[in-house]
Amino acid sequence: GQSLEQPSEVTAVEGAIVQINCTYQTSGFYGLSWYQQHDGGAPTFLSYNALDGLEETGRFSSFLSRSDSYGYLLLQELQMKDSASYFCAVRDGGNTPLVFGKGTRLSVIA
Amino acid sequence: KAGVTQTPRYLIKTRGQQVTLSCSPISGHRSVSWYQQTPGQGLQFLFEYFSETQRNKGNFPGRFSGRQFSNSRSEMNVSTLELGDSALYLCASRRGREAFFGQGTRLTVV
Repeated sequence: GQSLEQPSEVTAVEGAIVQINCTYQTSGFYGLSWYQQHDGGAPTFLSYNALDGLEETGRFSSFLSRSDSYGYLLLQELQMKDSASYFCAVRDGGNTPLVFGKGTRLSVIA
Repeated sequence: KAGVTQTPRYLIKTRGQQVTLSCSPISGHRSVSWYQQTPGQGLQFLFEYFSETQRNKGNFPGRFSGRQFSNSRSEMNVSTLELGDSALYLCASRRGREAFFGQGTRLTVV
């Protein structure tokens, strides 16, 4: 089976940079994804890494190191609206389910 | 394009009853997954359907079941409800690497 570890809570100041780490254990590997979920909302897709390195999408970047079974989500120029839960997720193979970590609750403070 | 639609949004049931939840995926998406979300536990995978066949199943008791119809709409059923079944049930349809979630059904068992 798969398991993912990520911090349960992170607090950061508006305008700052925050990094949310994720380590995973899987029998196979078919990419690391990140999802954002605001309170009362549905999870929404942020990013996907299949290969090592950094993927950048606006203020958000995601990094993957397959040799270390490790990835992170980097949020820059934090805004109050970034306060949400962030989940990393992995899949063993193309037709296997997406398995999520327990989520990191990010609080952005003024 | 319409998103993933889940009905009902809220449900209150009594212990011992059964419940059926519905999910309509994005048009053209053939994969539908169900997740249970409870505070502190993240999203726990229930099952995944593809072209009317259950492709994957999570570690939930047999009281949890589902099916998918020829139009890709999916239902999940929970029989003999327990207090611990109170949760947000999320449905996601997937095409490629991105999963699209519905707003969920909030089930409360009393």
